[in-house]
Amino acid sequence: QVQLQESGPGLVKPSETLSLTCTVSGGSFSSYYWSWIRQSPGKGLEWIGYVYYSGSTNYNPSLESRVTISIDTSKNQFSLKLTSLTAADTAVYYCGRDQHSGRPAAFEIWGLGTMVTVSS
Amino acid sequence: EIVLTQSPGTLSLSPGERATLSCRASQSVSSNYLAWYQLKPGQAPRLLIYDASNRATGTPDRFSGSGSGTDFTLTINRLEPEDFAVYFCQQYGRSPRTFGQGTKVEIK
Repeated sequence: QVQLQESGPGLVKPSETLSLTCTVSGGSFSSYYWSWIRQSPGKGLEWIGYVYYSGSTNYNPSLESRVTISIDTSKNQFSLKLTSLTAADTAVYYCGRDQHSGRPAAFEIWGLGTMVTVSS
Repeated sequence: EIVLTQSPGTLSLSPGERATLSCRASQSVSSNYLAWYQLKPGQAPRLLIYDASNRATGTPDRFSGSGSGTDFTLTINRLEPEDFAVYFCQQYGRSPRTFGQGTKVEIK
């Protein structure tokens, strides 16, 4: 079955840029929306944005000025870049896939998540 | 954006009891595009319910979702030991997709 695996640094400095990658294995990469979601310590979940397999994107307005999500279909990967980091960006970052495309859908498949700490 | 408010924050119950979790939206959720997830430490979040009332593949039938518009409920009948976890609701009918703050179901 389809599996997602996040990868990237666990510690980044304030004001720097976070780069995370999600590798997709075990299934089709096309015709789905691929999202990044995060959970800050002691807080709820926050949707960061998605990329469609075609490359089109949609971001949460609260983060839009600092976020870029891109896709590399040749590698079955999609990536997150988040700039100008502060301590408030410390969180577990998850990648996820919608149940289906064509209409709004829930996140059917999630990665295990990767903890990112922003600290000098 | 649509704000989802979950209640209670924590639910203390014994195995075998019924859990009733509430999720209230600040405005109507389009086409009842609302999901429920289970989150356990060290595990990937698990989709339980989508479109307010449909069980996802592999979700036991003791889990049921109901509601429409702005008020939604997740019911867990006869709690099993593996059901003690944190549960989130999420709406995906309008961008940005938003989540509730979660309800923790703990062993009493």
